[in-house]
Formats: sequence, C-alpha cells, structure tokens
Amino acid sequence: EDQVTQSPEALRLQEGESSSLNCSYTVSGLRGLFWYRQDPGKGPEFLFTLYSAGEEKEKERLKATLTKKESFLHITAPKPEDSATYLCAVQAEEGGSEKLVFGKGTKLTVNP
Amino acid sequence: DSGVTQTPKHLITATGQRVTLRCSPRSGDLSVYWYQQSLDQGLQFLIQYYNGEERAKGNILERFSAQQFPDLHSELNLSSLELGDSALYFCASSASSNEQYFGPGTRLTVT
Repeated sequence: EDQVTQSPEALRLQEGESSSLNCSYTVSGLRGLFWYRQDPGKGPEFLFTLYSAGEEKEKERLKATLTKKESFLHITAPKPEDSATYLCAVQAEEGGSEKLVFGKGTKLTVNP
Repeated sequence: DSGVTQTPKHLITATGQRVTLRCSPRSGDLSVYWYQQSLDQGLQFLIQYYNGEERAKGNILERFSAQQFPDLHSELNLSSLELGDSALYFCASSASSNEQYFGPGTRLTVT
C-alpha cells in the first residue's frame, strides 16, 4: 500500500529562520511527487511536481528536492505569510489510476 | 484562484439525509477527482472521473456516489448521512495525469 509520512507535524519558526520539511514515501512505482500549500478552510494550492530522484524545483523562498525515498521542502528566510499547512502527495503508476495519496501535512507557523 | 468551483460552500444537514455537492472543473480539464478531508484522516481520495467515465475508486462508501456530466461538471451524492460524514469535501481537476488543481471545498456538517 502506498504511504506518505510527513515530519514534523508542526513547526514554529522565527521570521528569517530557514528550515526543511520532510516527506518520506513508499510507493510501487512513482509517477510523481507533489507539494501543496493549504491555508485553513481552503483548498490545497499546487506548488511543485517532482518526477525523478535528483530533481529540484524552486519558487520564491521554497525549494523542493527528491530522492528515491523522500522529498524535502526547504524554506529559506521565511516570512509570516508562509504560515500554512504543507502537504506532500504521491501519485503511483497503478493501472490507470491517477489518484494522489497524501501525507497528513506539516503545519508551519512563522512568527514576526 | 485555481479555476475549480464548488457549491455550496457550507452545508448543514441532519443524520439520515441526502445531499449533493457540485463541482465545475477548470476550463478544458477532462478529469475530476473527489477527496474527503477530516481532522483525523487527512485528505483521502474518493473517486475519479475522466470525460464522463469512472476511472478509479478509492475509499468511497457505498452510500456515496458520483457522476460527471457531458459539460464535464461533476456531482457527489451522499446519502443516509452519519455524524462521521462531517468533513471538508474537495473536488480537483487536471488536464493530464499530472498536477491536480483543487477547488475551495464544501464543508459538510451532519447534526
């Protein structure tokens, strides 16, 4: 069964204090790994897709990386507006299904 | 704004009732996905439709059903509602097998 585990569950940072969120996964054939940002009461907002080990993608203060077993979301010099829950999801190569299997998320709080 | 719309935004109903949630995908997207998000379970895949046909099923209860219409909008029907069905229900759409774009969700409260 495909599984996604995110750590830590919650993270508090001071503004400007860089850190990383972890997403470890087990999947029978990875089609893609996705990062989303979710604000309270809203739908997940797409951030990145990673397809193969060694791949990296950046967007503003965020950088996502991928290995064969895990992905990291690096946050450089975060600002209070980066506070949100960050969700990781995998899509498996499984008989035509394109479903996403999500982790439970990391709730990030950035204090000014 | 992802371009995916969902109605209603909030829904409060009683146990045993039936409700219908509606989703309009982004223009041109043929795939529609339904997910349920509860506090303890996180986001769980329910069902996927592609161009009107069911493509995949996840953890969807027999009391729940969905369909996708010729204009590509989709409806999720929930019947014989129980307290445990209270959750956020999200619709997502995609143009390919890759990125899925989520709507704002419908918050269902069963009392």
